Amino acid sequence: AQKITQTQPGMFVQEKEAVTLDCTYDTSDPSYGLFWYKQPSSGEMIFLIYQGSYDQQNATEGRYSLNFQKARKSANLVISASQLGDSAMYFCAMRLTRASTGGFKTIFGAGTRLFVKA
Amino acid sequence: NAGVTQTPKFQVLKTGQSMTLQCAQDMNHEYMSWYRQDPGMGLRLIHYSVGAGITDQGEVPNGYNVSRSTTEDFPLRLLSAAPSQTSVYFCASSNAGTRRTPLHFGNGTRLTVT
Repeated sequence: AQKITQTQPGMFVQEKEAVTLDCTYDTSDPSYGLFWYKQPSSGEMIFLIYQGSYDQQNATEGRYSLNFQKARKSANLVISASQLGDSAMYFCAMRLTRASTGGFKTIFGAGTRLFVKA
Repeated sequence: NAGVTQTPKFQVLKTGQSMTLQCAQDMNHEYMSWYRQDPGMGLRLIHYSVGAGITDQGEVPNGYNVSRSTTEDFPLRLLSAAPSQTSVYFCASSNAGTRRTPLHFGNGTRLTVT
């Protein structure tokens, strides 16, 4: 079955410290993409970072990096030097090819709510 | 450039009523999709489309219909609303040409069914 699992419903981190948000996935497709999105309390969805299944190096975007361990099927998000504005809901997502239509679909995990403490 | 536009922002329905949630994008994206967001369950895929005339079911399609007659529009229809359909609905689109293109989301529709 194709599934995304985020086992941390809530996380607390001290401002300026690093935090890791866990994400594991399940798919038998050899080709897939992994994404992280942020949802602040205002409700909009913000794209943070992408990792392709064939990418050799871990993705990085500013303070965000993705710890991709393909054999373990994990794609953890690392936020360095946390800021108060990082307090939000974070979703891990996986894009999969849909053979029947030649297209693709994206599924999401349940999310992790991050609280950054001053 | 408006991006992905969802209407309405809020809606209250009585059980059994029908309605259509509208979604339009002006980025010429081939791929469009509908999600519902419920506490503790993340975003669950309802239906999606990889181009005009092509739709497919997602994880939770029951109770919802879609059609894709144009590239720009992807309406979601609730034929007979149920309280279980109370949720926040997001429409999202992306360019289908490359796998690394992220989804562009609308601002959501908060639906309450009483």
